[in-house]
Amino acid sequence: EADIYQTPRYLVIGTGKKITLECSQTMGHDKMYWYQQDPGMELHLIHYSYGVNSTEKGDLSSESTVSRIRTEHFPLTLESARPSHTSQYLCASSEYGSTGDYNSPLHFGNGTRLTVT
Amino acid sequence: GDSVTQMEGPVTLSEEAFLTINCTYTATGYPSLFWYVQYPGEGLQLLLKATKADDKGSNKGFEATYRKETTSFHLEKGSVQVSDSAVYFCALANYKLSFGAGTTVTVRA
Repeated sequence: EADIYQTPRYLVIGTGKKITLECSQTMGHDKMYWYQQDPGMELHLIHYSYGVNSTEKGDLSSESTVSRIRTEHFPLTLESARPSHTSQYLCASSEYGSTGDYNSPLHFGNGTRLTVT
Repeated sequence: GDSVTQMEGPVTLSEEAFLTINCTYTATGYPSLFWYVQYPGEGLQLLLKATKADDKGSNKGFEATYRKETTSFHLEKGSVQVSDSAVYFCALANYKLSFGAGTTVTVRA
């Protein structure tokens, strides 16, 4: 049973459209992440958040933006989608670990597969 | 900076074969190490972890031992099943989380 939910599961849209990918978690985790997964399966961190009103850019530059108004919700928005945005997007969350921020395991959603035509 | 290098795939095996996926890392300090698994059409899920040198993580018949002297965390399973077909990611947690590139494993009946 998933504790972190992503919608939609699949999305096909035309170039120039604005889209929002939804991510919600019910575990009360403070930390949330967005990863982009390329066809070769490699993961790239594009955004993360330490908690409400906190958002940071990840390792991979992205034209997307995120917001964190509520602990459980971390949506990702593309203002104008392009074919280069075609990818799988994975949302994850974790709690703070007692031995360091990143020692707690990540819980992933099932992803949104985005295709921009 | 920290990095993780894992064995390139794809790996194709027959059922009941022995599986090893190599993972080596570069890091300062004392990172924690993880293996995540991604089944087809799903997100990643934690398979096992080890938080200090010589720790052995195990789950679902998989094992990996944190070897500081060889900076390795190789994943092993003695007898794979078709249901083990997935992508496996080695990961390192230090001041940030670093994933390996993933290894696709296909088990044939």
